[in-house]
Amino acid sequence: DQQVKQNSPSLSVQEGRISILNCDYTNSMFDYFLWYKKYPAEGPTFLISISSIKDKNEDGRFTVFLNKSAKHLSLHIVPSQPGDSAVYFCAANQGPSGRFGAGTRLTVKP
Amino acid sequence: NAGVTQTPKFRVLKTGQSMTLLCAQDMNHEYMYWYRQDPGMGLRLIHYSVGEGTTAKGEVPDGYNVSRLKKQNFLLGLESAAPSQTSVYFCASRTTGGWGYTFGSGTRLTVV
Repeated sequence: DQQVKQNSPSLSVQEGRISILNCDYTNSMFDYFLWYKKYPAEGPTFLISISSIKDKNEDGRFTVFLNKSAKHLSLHIVPSQPGDSAVYFCAANQGPSGRFGAGTRLTVKP
Repeated sequence: NAGVTQTPKFRVLKTGQSMTLLCAQDMNHEYMYWYRQDPGMGLRLIHYSVGEGTTAKGEVPDGYNVSRLKKQNFLLGLESAAPSQTSVYFCASRTTGGWGYTFGSGTRLTVV
């Protein structure tokens, strides 16, 4: 039962352009959504989050959008940089428990 | 301030052997978690704990046991390892009022 889905396993963009990573969820009880970035041989690191009562949160080049009616969230990175190349996981919390998507590998080409 | 520390970092087991993975956090976090990461499957929750002496099952708990005897430590045990348990295991922790997890650097386990 995959409650959090990232349907694109990979994404490639040109440096300076926008990267858009998508995530869908099925459980309407999730109360917090997060994005994590992971480099090889390291643990995931927190990137940005959004509460279920909001529809947008911005932090520098990173913006997360939440569409509760569609049960969809997205991460926008503008402008994309080669150092952003990593695997991105979306996650959703319900109380103490959390679920993660399968991840999207982002490659930013110089 | 080390954050979340996992030991060991690598391990090879034979089918049927047992082992314990140790997770230690020094941030006084209440919640602790064990995830496994497999290609195409992302991070799947094995077990978690909301406080000392408590444990709860996650998405894929079968074949694993956990214990949280001390607030700062969360142990993951494999009683009889199987090749299907070959994976990278991540421990994480967070505060009760927070929402972001702090992850360890992972344990790569191979069962042959």
